[in-house]
Amino acid sequence: AQTVTQSQPEMSVQEAETVTLSCTYDTSESDYYLFWYKQPPSRQMILVIRQEAYKQQNATENRFSVNFQKAAKSFSLKISDSQLGDAAMYFCAYRSNDGTASKLTFGTGTRLQVTL
Amino acid sequence: DGGITQSPKYLFRKEGQNVTLSCEQNLNHDAMYWYRQDPGQGLRLIYYSQIVNDFQKGDIAEGYSVSREKKESFPLTVTSAQKNPTAFYLCASKRYGPKGTEAFFGQGTRLTVV
Repeated sequence: AQTVTQSQPEMSVQEAETVTLSCTYDTSESDYYLFWYKQPPSRQMILVIRQEAYKQQNATENRFSVNFQKAAKSFSLKISDSQLGDAAMYFCAYRSNDGTASKLTFGTGTRLQVTL
Repeated sequence: DGGITQSPKYLFRKEGQNVTLSCEQNLNHDAMYWYRQDPGQGLRLIYYSQIVNDFQKGDIAEGYSVSREKKESFPLTVTSAQKNPTAFYLCASKRYGPKGTEAFFGQGTRLTVV
């Protein structure tokens, strides 16, 4: 079974600075997807960024980018120019690409605080 | 607007009672999921369904039941057999198929046993 580990329960960053959230995963599969989801105080889960394992290029979405190291099974999220609205829980998630219902496996989350 | 609607937002239940959480989607998605969220444990899968009239147990199905009579609807019943039902419940859906699409989530239901 796949597992996802987020070893940082809480992180803090000053506004306009850069922060990196860590995620490692364990799998024997070669084809899969990785995701970062944001959960603000409203508790709505919002997709931040997605990485396909067969793509070597790291995904980017505006101020959000990932560092995907397939051999090391590492998938970190970098948030640049942090804003107060970035404060939230961030979850790393894994999904197989095996043609089934493709359920997500989540890490335990990292709570990000953004300070002035 | 297309999306996933969970109701109610807050739900209170007395011990020993069954309660049903609603999840409706108008995205024409094939697969639907129920997750439970507890502090410090992330999201854990309860049940999922790939097509109408079919569903599978997830990692923590004990004490829960589901039905999928319509593509748009995937209600979750928390039975009296669930020993610790107080939690935040999230419903999600996605278009079937391995590639491309991410799961979309509802806004959740907070269930409290009183």
